[in-house]
Amino acid sequence: DADVTQTPRNRITKTGKRIMLECSQTKGHDRMYWYRQDPGLGLRLIYYSFDVKDINKGEISDGYSVSRQAQAKFSLSLESAIPNQTALYFCATSDQLTSGRTDTQYFGPGTRLTVL
Amino acid sequence: GQNIDQPTEMTATEGAIVQINCTYQTSGFNGLFWYQQHAGEAPTFLSYNVLDGLEEKGRFSSFLSRSKGYSYLLLKELQMKDSASYLCAVRSYQLIWGAGTKLIIKP
Repeated sequence: DADVTQTPRNRITKTGKRIMLECSQTKGHDRMYWYRQDPGLGLRLIYYSFDVKDINKGEISDGYSVSRQAQAKFSLSLESAIPNQTALYFCATSDQLTSGRTDTQYFGPGTRLTVL
Repeated sequence: GQNIDQPTEMTATEGAIVQINCTYQTSGFNGLFWYQQHAGEAPTFLSYNVLDGLEEKGRFSSFLSRSKGYSYLLLKELQMKDSASYLCAVRSYQLIWGAGTKLIIKP
C-alpha cells in the first residue's frame, strides 16, 4: 500500500503552461513537503507545511505555489512553467518532532516533469 | 554556512563491506538521517542517529560523532540490489540534504 501518493507520475508540458502536481497521504502526518531533485544535486526544498494553516517557503520557492487543502493533501503549482523547472518532484510527509518521534520524512514515488 | 559533504561515487564488490562517509557543518544539530535511493525512485529511510555511537540494523549500520561532525553508513555482505545512491541529511532547524553517494556494486 502506498502511504504517500503523487499524481501524475509523469508529465510533459510546454513553456508557459500552468501545471499542478498533487500529493495525498494516509499516514496521518501533519507535516508535508515538496522537493525537487536534479541530476547530481541534492534534494531542494520548495515549500513545506506543518499543518493546514501553516505554509512556508523553502530555499527555491520562486516560480512555485502550494495549497494545503486538508491534512492529507498538499498540491504544488507551477503558474507558468519554464524549461529549467524540468526535474523530478517529490512530496514527503513527517510526524511532529516530539518525545519518541523523530520527524522522519517519508517520500511519495515522485513526478517526472518535463517542460519543453 | 551549512554544508554536507559525501563522496560522489563509490565502487565495491558483491559480498564485501563498504563505508560511506558524511561530514557536516550546520548551525545546530537535531539528528542525522541516511536514505537509500534507487535511480528514478523515491528516497527510502534507512537510519537515524541523534546520539554518538553505532546503530545497527541488519546488514546496515550507521555511526555518528557529533563532536567531529561526522557520520558513516556501513553496508555489509553487499548485494547487487544495494546499487543505489545513499543520501545523508542533517536536521538543524530544517533538514539539510547532501548530494548523495552513488554506490556501484560489481560482481
